[in-house]
Amino acid sequence: LAKTTQPISMDSYEGQEVNITCSHNNIATNDYITWYQQFPSQGPRFIIQGYKTKVTNEVASLFIPADRKSSTLSLPRVSLSDTAVYYCLVGDISGGYNKLIFGAGTRLAVHP
Amino acid sequence: ETGVTQTPRHLVMGMTNKKSLKCEQHLGHNAMYWYKQSAKKPLELMFVYSLEERVENNSVPSRFSPECPNSSHLFLHLHTLQPEDSALYLCASSLSGGAKNIQYFGAGTRLSVL
Repeated sequence: LAKTTQPISMDSYEGQEVNITCSHNNIATNDYITWYQQFPSQGPRFIIQGYKTKVTNEVASLFIPADRKSSTLSLPRVSLSDTAVYYCLVGDISGGYNKLIFGAGTRLAVHP
Repeated sequence: ETGVTQTPRHLVMGMTNKKSLKCEQHLGHNAMYWYKQSAKKPLELMFVYSLEERVENNSVPSRFSPECPNSSHLFLHLHTLQPEDSALYLCASSLSGGAKNIQYFGAGTRLSVL
């Protein structure tokens, strides 16, 4: 399983774009990159998933360079409600189940 | 609402009690997971069931006993717990096999062991 490294914490202000980068140097050919968001005392919530290039949904964008050794989650125009812990996970999802190993995540604080 | 419901949301138990946590998913998934999240620590995967068979057991003490009677329900039976077992216990489900089998989490059960 590929290990991921991401910043422990980040600060931003309302209305700004936030980019959180995750490093996964040992990513394997079959691995997908998945990002989750977690609020205090709640379960993680899926944000976005990708394999290569760029993926965009109504919540965020995910940028993955050609070598796939890193990825960047982009949150456009954050609000106070985006204050949460963001997890980057890498794993093979083609098997019988999805084994995810959560790291410490990035604690994002959005200020007024 | 994620489609994964956990009960109870909060539980306080003594070290000699026996209790059970329940998880139910309404998403048509066939893989279910138990995680433990202690204060200031990452989520730890405890058990995985795929197609109602246990496929993962990450060296969890025997005082935690999972049960998966069908693909929609998952239980975690607790007995003679220790204070260090106090944590947020999270259940998740996903489709097994194929691409993009994303995990959907419940809101968790906050367990306090006295």
